[in-house]
Amino acid sequence: AQSVTQLDSQVPVFEEAPVELRCNYSSSVSVYLFWYVQYPNQGLQLLLKYLSGSTLVKGINGFEAEFNKSQTSFHLRKPSVHISDTAEYFCAVSPTSWGKLQFGAGTQVVVTP
Amino acid sequence: DTGVSQDPRHKITKRGQNVTFRCDPISEHNRLYWYRQTLGQGPEFLTYFQNEAQLEKSRLLSDRFSAERPKGSFSTLEIQRTEQGDSAMYLCASSLTEGAGDTQYFGPGTRLTVL
Repeated sequence: AQSVTQLDSQVPVFEEAPVELRCNYSSSVSVYLFWYVQYPNQGLQLLLKYLSGSTLVKGINGFEAEFNKSQTSFHLRKPSVHISDTAEYFCAVSPTSWGKLQFGAGTQVVVTP
Repeated sequence: DTGVSQDPRHKITKRGQNVTFRCDPISEHNRLYWYRQTLGQGPEFLTYFQNEAQLEKSRLLSDRFSAERPKGSFSTLEIQRTEQGDSAMYLCASSLTEGAGDTQYFGPGTRLTVL
């Protein structure tokens, strides 16, 4: 069984400041890791995913995440946020056999001027 | 590619009534998933189809819930004898098998309110 913990339920941040969203997971099998974003009144959109290879993954909209196997973490970062990054962000894991996603509870990012 | 669509977007019903939701996946996507999202939580997996075959169901999916995907295209999720605890956003996603780790594309969801 897998579980996902997003350590912050809400992250306030000023425009043009950096942001880091923390995600830890536990699993008895190998997993793939994902970050999704949910803008108000919109569906979930994939930001990035880690399947294998380089532990630093670059995604859309300037986001990147680093997979750390020893710490079972997959933290998401952006060096400079925009107002438009205000949204809810979900970390998710999937077992390698097929595609069911298990999501964390989400982190609400609020960007203010 | 018009994306995943869901219908209706909102549904208000009285307790005890039956409701049915529809999901149209991205054309040619062979995998289809249903998730449920309650306020303040991440989506929870309900069930999964590969083509027309329903391959897994979550224990969250009680006997009152049934899902179908005839002909491997659109899917329906029916809830019988709705309860207030069924109030949630129901999300549909689809993907094209590329092996494991394929990207799931989500629809906008159907928000169900049970009075």
